[in-house]
Amino acid sequence: QQQVKQSPQSLIVQKGGISIINCAYENTAFDYFPWYQQFPGKGPALLIAIRPDVSEKKEGRFTISFNKSAKQFSLHIMDSQPGDSATYFCAPSISGGYNKLIFGAGTRLAVHP
Amino acid sequence: EAGVAQSPRYKIIEKRQSVAFWCNPISGHATLYWYQQILGQGPKLLIQFQNNGVVDDSQLPKDRFSAERLKGVDSTLKIQPAKLEDSAVYLCASSSSQLSGNTIYFGEGSWLTVV
Repeated sequence: QQQVKQSPQSLIVQKGGISIINCAYENTAFDYFPWYQQFPGKGPALLIAIRPDVSEKKEGRFTISFNKSAKQFSLHIMDSQPGDSATYFCAPSISGGYNKLIFGAGTRLAVHP
Repeated sequence: EAGVAQSPRYKIIEKRQSVAFWCNPISGHATLYWYQQILGQGPKLLIQFQNNGVVDDSQLPKDRFSAERLKGVDSTLKIQPAKLEDSAVYLCASSSSQLSGNTIYFGEGSWLTVV
């Protein structure tokens, strides 16, 4: 678990604002960089993911930015909505490593109306 | 398509007792995972199966935890004897392949409280 550090631990954003969550990693063997979203009482669900051959990926209001040299990737949520209130985890996995996700500690996002 | 099914959803036991959790993965998924999620933390992989063989159990406390996946479909996770620090959500997950990058689908979890 120490291989992956998420920040901030918690985040409060007004409706319509931009939420930014960061993930720093140590292991250069990671080759798959997903973000998972978890609502209370539910299991995590894949939100968006990126491979290291691209620096950015956008799906609707969600964007991953990837900085290989800095060993960081981030999640941007544009036009944040109250329904986005959840805990977000970065969970990279290792190339050839049997699809083993290494989860960060999580960021609890609250979007206020 | 049905998701990953887990039971029971909630369990309260006394320390030193035993408990078992059951998981039915998404149909056709060869890879099955058990994760432990302690309150306020990210999930931690306990064991990973490819069909009915163990791929990774490096973080499974083998003196008290055991898991099996008979016939390569359903799986059970057992804890015996339970300790207070085992209080957590036990998440079962599955994916179609063990290769890195294949989407892992999680169940809703089995909540364990050890008192």
